[in-house]
Order: sequence, then C-alpha cells, then structure tokens
Amino acid sequence: DTGVSQNPRHKITKRGQNVTFRCDPISEHNRLYWYRQTLGQGPEFLTYFQNEAQLEKSRLLSDRFSAERPKGSFSTLEIQRTEQGDSAMYLCASRDGGANEQFFGPGTRLTVL
Amino acid sequence: QKEVEQDPGPLSVPEGAIVSLNCTYSNSAFQYFMWYRQYSRKGPELLMYTYSSGNKEDGRFTAQVDKSSKYISLFIRDSQPSDSATYLCAMNTGFQKLVFGTGTRLLVSP
Repeated sequence: DTGVSQNPRHKITKRGQNVTFRCDPISEHNRLYWYRQTLGQGPEFLTYFQNEAQLEKSRLLSDRFSAERPKGSFSTLEIQRTEQGDSAMYLCASRDGGANEQFFGPGTRLTVL
Repeated sequence: QKEVEQDPGPLSVPEGAIVSLNCTYSNSAFQYFMWYRQYSRKGPELLMYTYSSGNKEDGRFTAQVDKSSKYISLFIRDSQPSDSATYLCAMNTGFQKLVFGTGTRLLVSP
C-alpha cells in the first residue's frame, strides 16, 4: 500500500528562480488538494482538483503559482519567480470521492534564499 | 479573527499523564472534525475523524465535539514520549477543503 508521495522532499532555490513540485496521490483517489504550511501555523488551502479539473483556488494562490493535474493522476505545483515569502512546506492531500477524510503526503520543504 | 483557534503551546506533561487538546471555531456550518498528528518536518497523519457532536474513542485517544459551544477536544490517555508531536485540529462542511488550527505542540517527558 502506498500513501501520498511528494517529490522532491526538499528544495533550496534562489529568489527569482522557478520551482516545480510533484504529488502522486493514493491510487484511485480522484480528489487532490494542495496546502501550504509556514512555521508555527496550520496548513492553509491552496487549490483543489477533482480528476483533472481544478475546481477551487485560494486567493493565496497568486498568479505566480500554477497547478495542474493533466491526466487526473499526479499533480504538479509550479511557482514562478520565487520570493523569500514562498518559503514553506507544500503539502498534498488526496481523498476518495465518497469519503471526507484527507490523507497527506510528507510535504516538500521549500527554502528561497 | 481566525475561523479555528488553537493554543499553540507548548504543552509539557510527564509520561502517563492525561492530555487534553482543544480547539474552538466560529463557523457553525462545520460538521466534520478531524485531529491530525504531525511530527517535526513530516506531513500530518490523520488520527481521529468525527461527524457532528458526540464522542469517539480509538485506543488511547478520545475525540469530543460540542457543536453548541463550537468546541472540540482530543484526549490522550497514558501519554507516551512517542506522542510528542504537534496536534492539528481540522474541520470542514463536508467534502471540502479543510480549515486547520495553528496546532498545539505536545512534549511528553519520560
């Protein structure tokens, strides 16, 4: 049994660079969520996919952020022109369509220098 | 004001103590309540999931929901050093994004 996986686990980049993270949900989970967590805070919702359709985006998701789930399986989150304020843990969660419980991956920790 | 309030702690207890963790919320539409455990630099792990008001027990963990007071609790009996982690409450209206508290850091000393 494989849970939610995320890659890379850690990413260090310089301000202004673009970064891309990948999330592989639990197989057959057609709902996928991205959250962002900063130090000392709980995760905050970024965006939500049902299959390949992006159904909801938070106002936290500025135009420098883009997320895709092209075949309804894995998802990518890209941040363009990174800023120091983007430093955070980026978490992916998935759930089955008939259930409410969300299961999280290990996260990708981004550090922007 | 945040939708979900949670004392960040840290909460320090000796091994074997009963731990009480709490959250309050403001949105009366929340129906589903969850507790996640998060170890340092790891993703959140789902511990307890409850719907509406009442109690739910799972081993050493008991979750309570009081919707009339907009107050939820997680009790840990016979706490162990391995329980040392951050505990996050989360909730939603059902099949939607989760709204989290800030998390309470728990330290259980041997």
